[in-house]
Amino acid sequence: NAGVTQTPKFQVLKTGQSMTLQCAQDMNHEYMSWYRQDPGMGLRLIHYSVGAGITDQGEVPNGYNVSRSTTEDFPLRLLSAAPSQTSVYFCASSLKTSGFYNEQFFGPGTRLTVL
Amino acid sequence: GNSVTQMEGPVTLSEEAFLTINCTYTATGYPSLFWYVQYPGEGLQLLLKATKADDKGSNKGFEATYRKETTSFHLEKGSVQVSDSAVYFCALSGNGQNFVFGPGTRLSVLP
Repeated sequence: NAGVTQTPKFQVLKTGQSMTLQCAQDMNHEYMSWYRQDPGMGLRLIHYSVGAGITDQGEVPNGYNVSRSTTEDFPLRLLSAAPSQTSVYFCASSLKTSGFYNEQFFGPGTRLTVL
Repeated sequence: GNSVTQMEGPVTLSEEAFLTINCTYTATGYPSLFWYVQYPGEGLQLLLKATKADDKGSNKGFEATYRKETTSFHLEKGSVQVSDSAVYFCALSGNGQNFVFGPGTRLSVLP
């Protein structure tokens, strides 16, 4: 199993550009999520999905879109990049057992800089 | 809603010192509790977990006990090594709800 994979590892954008961060998992996990990690801010949830075709907003969704057409993939789209979106982005997935989400498996992260 | 509070650090220790990182939580019902570790430049990895009261999670010399009466899940290690230098996150998963992470505690171990 590859686990959770993310591409690209690094990206530099100019203000106003759009791009998609890719995330895929091969563990057949129902739950997938996107976080951003900023210095001193811990992890903040952007969007999450509890299964194919179902997505919802997290704590900081503005400026980001997601879709979940398959169980495996959960891309994150930046619509019009802003310097405030400079961050490290992590994708994670989890399996649900008896109503509880088990431990999340994290990807290696995408380090994004917006100039 | 659910929340996690942990000491923010940074924590600086000498090699072979005893480590405690405090974590307390607020949640309804009986959440599952986790400690994650993040080494520099990497993603988060599960360090240990506990799913019910009085459970003890352990891994790589680290331990944490799920204390329902004090709503705590403190991380301990008897003798830290330089290679333990990392950021440690306490987290919980409530029934059908999203994960909640603490702010992270940066640990530096000096030789």
